Amino acid sequence: RKEVEQDPGPFNVPEGATVAFNCTYSNSASQSFFWYRQDCRKEPKLLMSVYSSGNEDGRFTAQLNRASQYISLLIRDSKLSDSATYLCAVNLLNTGFQKLVFGTGTRLLVSP
Amino acid sequence: DGGITQSPKYLFRKEGQNVTLSCEQNLNHDAMYWYRQDPGQGLRLIYYSQIVNDFQKGDIAEGYSVSREKKESFPLTVTSAQKNPTAFYLCASSTLQGGTSEQYFGPGTRLTVT
Repeated sequence: RKEVEQDPGPFNVPEGATVAFNCTYSNSASQSFFWYRQDCRKEPKLLMSVYSSGNEDGRFTAQLNRASQYISLLIRDSKLSDSATYLCAVNLLNTGFQKLVFGTGTRLLVSP
Repeated sequence: DGGITQSPKYLFRKEGQNVTLSCEQNLNHDAMYWYRQDPGQGLRLIYYSQIVNDFQKGDIAEGYSVSREKKESFPLTVTSAQKNPTAFYLCASSTLQGGTSEQYFGPGTRLTVT
């Protein structure tokens, strides 16, 4: 089983739709969690950290479910500009070094 | 502007040549990392460094070497021993303060070896 798994998609949604992605992780000792956005042929950019209580930033909401070992990202009122690949990252404390393990990403395509 | 710079953006080399990719940050971050990304795959960790003059191998270090002589700089050398060097190389950095370690990425170097 992979350490971090994501549905590759693509998720095709119309503008204005609500879309959600999940990311599962295998190691229950994972300590912190992140969502990154990556545009085609560009570097990943940190979208948001995921806190235990869940957090929201505008149209974006991130949730953590430790019992089922997954994190989620909800995007409301999708914009054309939201089209990108969304990477989740899970931070595992490993012999004093906090190793960040990335999923392969979920591709989102928002159409007019 | 604070950030991470990588150069060059595109790099072409002949097989058998070593090549060094540059990574510089002015964020005063302690830790720096090198990843490679291949189509359809996630980011894979090559090397990381938490402090000057110290670095450790990541998951796919074979065929690569690094140095960390200055806090701001973490160059990566792709040697001729790396069997499949063509990839998108990403440098990242993070602070080691606090409980989380959000990593920030440079714009990447796209290396093509023929």
